[in-house]
Amino acid sequence: DAKTTQPNSMESNEEEPVHLPCNHSTISGTDYIHWYRQLPSQGPEYVIHGLTSNVNNRMASLAIAEDRKSSTLILHRATLRDAAVYYCILSSWTDKLIFGTGTRLQVFP
Amino acid sequence: GAGVSQSPSNKVTEKGKDVELRCDPISGHTALYWYRQSLGQGLEFLIYFQGNSAPDKSGLPSDRFSAERTGGSVSTLTIQRTQQEDSAVYLCASSLALDNEQFFGPGTRLTVL
Repeated sequence: DAKTTQPNSMESNEEEPVHLPCNHSTISGTDYIHWYRQLPSQGPEYVIHGLTSNVNNRMASLAIAEDRKSSTLILHRATLRDAAVYYCILSSWTDKLIFGTGTRLQVFP
Repeated sequence: GAGVSQSPSNKVTEKGKDVELRCDPISGHTALYWYRQSLGQGLEFLIYFQGNSAPDKSGLPSDRFSAERTGGSVSTLTIQRTQQEDSAVYLCASSLALDNEQFFGPGTRLTVL
C-alpha cells in the first residue's frame, strides 16, 4: 500500500482557513486520495475524496497536485468543532482504508 | 436514518475469556469493515466483508480473532482467549459499496484485565 506523510500537528485560530498537507509520492494510478477525521472519543468521519481533479463539498476542499504526489485539505473557516485528527489515506476503489498517524489539528478561539 | 451501531459500548473481561462484539451496519450497505484502535494509536484494519464473504482477512492479528456476517447485515467479531494486548477500541464501518465512503460506528471499548 502506498504511504502518506502528514505533519504530526497543526494549529489554527477560529474563523481562519486551514491547509492540511499530505505527501504521497508513491501513489499509483488507481489510488484515490481520501480524507477522514476523528473527533475526540468518536469514530472517524468521512471528509472528502478525489482522484485527479480538485474537489469541493460542504465540509472542505481537496486540492490535488498535478503529478498527484501531494494533496492539501482546505478548511475554509476553521471552527472549534474542527479540532480533530485528520487522516490522509490512499486506497484503490475496492480496498480497505489504511490509516496512518494523521495530523492533530488544534483550533484556538 | 440510523447510523452504524455497535454493542456493547464497553466490555471488561478477564484474560483468557472469549468475547463477542457486534456491529449493525446501515441498512442496505453491502460492505462492512472492522478496525481497532489501541490507546494513542492510529486505526488498524482487521477484516472486511462484501456481502457475507470476507475477501480480505489479512488484518486479523492472530487465529484467536474471527468474524462472520450473516444475511448480509449484522457482523460479529469474536476474540478467543483474550490477552491484555487485545485491549483497544474496536470500530466497525459500513459503506454502500466497496468504493464508497465508510460510515463508522461509535466503537466498542474492550478492556482485558
